[in-house]
Amino acid sequence: DAKTTQPPSMDCAEGRAANLPCNHSTISGNEYVYWYRQIHSQGPQYIIHGLKNNETNEMASLIITEDRKSSTLILPHATLRDTAVYYCIVRVAGYKLSFGAGTTVTVRA
Amino acid sequence: DVKVTQSSRYLVKRTGEKVFLECVQDMDHENMFWYRQDPGLGLRLIYFSYDVKMKEKGDIPEGYSVSREKKERFSLILESASTNQTSMYLCASRTNTPPNYGYTFGSGTRLTVV
Repeated sequence: DAKTTQPPSMDCAEGRAANLPCNHSTISGNEYVYWYRQIHSQGPQYIIHGLKNNETNEMASLIITEDRKSSTLILPHATLRDTAVYYCIVRVAGYKLSFGAGTTVTVRA
Repeated sequence: DVKVTQSSRYLVKRTGEKVFLECVQDMDHENMFWYRQDPGLGLRLIYFSYDVKMKEKGDIPEGYSVSREKKERFSLILESASTNQTSMYLCASRTNTPPNYGYTFGSGTRLTVV
């Protein structure tokens, strides 16, 4: 399984974009990058996933570098409700997910 | 808009009791999973099921068993609860149908074994 590295924590000002980095230098060609978040005392929530191309949905954008060794999750206009632990996971599609420690994001007013 | 429902939010059981944690999903998903989450250890996979009556061990199956008699329901069983099984338990489901979106998790059951 490809291993991911995320910063343990980061702060963001409300209304600003939050850019969450993830390194996955050992990713293989058929592995997807998934992002989830977990708000305190709730189950994790799916955000977005991608293989090679950049992806955007109503929650966030995912930028994957051309060599696929790293990616960035972008929350375009962070709100206080975006305060959560964010997990970057690399997996073959259809296989079970493993969650690491993630990045604790605190959005400040 | 509830999609994965776990039967209890909080549960307190005594050591040695047999404990059943129930999970129901209404999305007709083929795959279901049970995780436990502990501070500093992240989410760890206990068991998963790819289809009805099928089950596979995850990373930490010891002390647990599961049952999947119907597609929508996946039960986690603690045969004889111990204090080291005090934890947050999370159920999730996922479809096999492309484009293979992510897991949907329940809200979790916080189990305390005394």
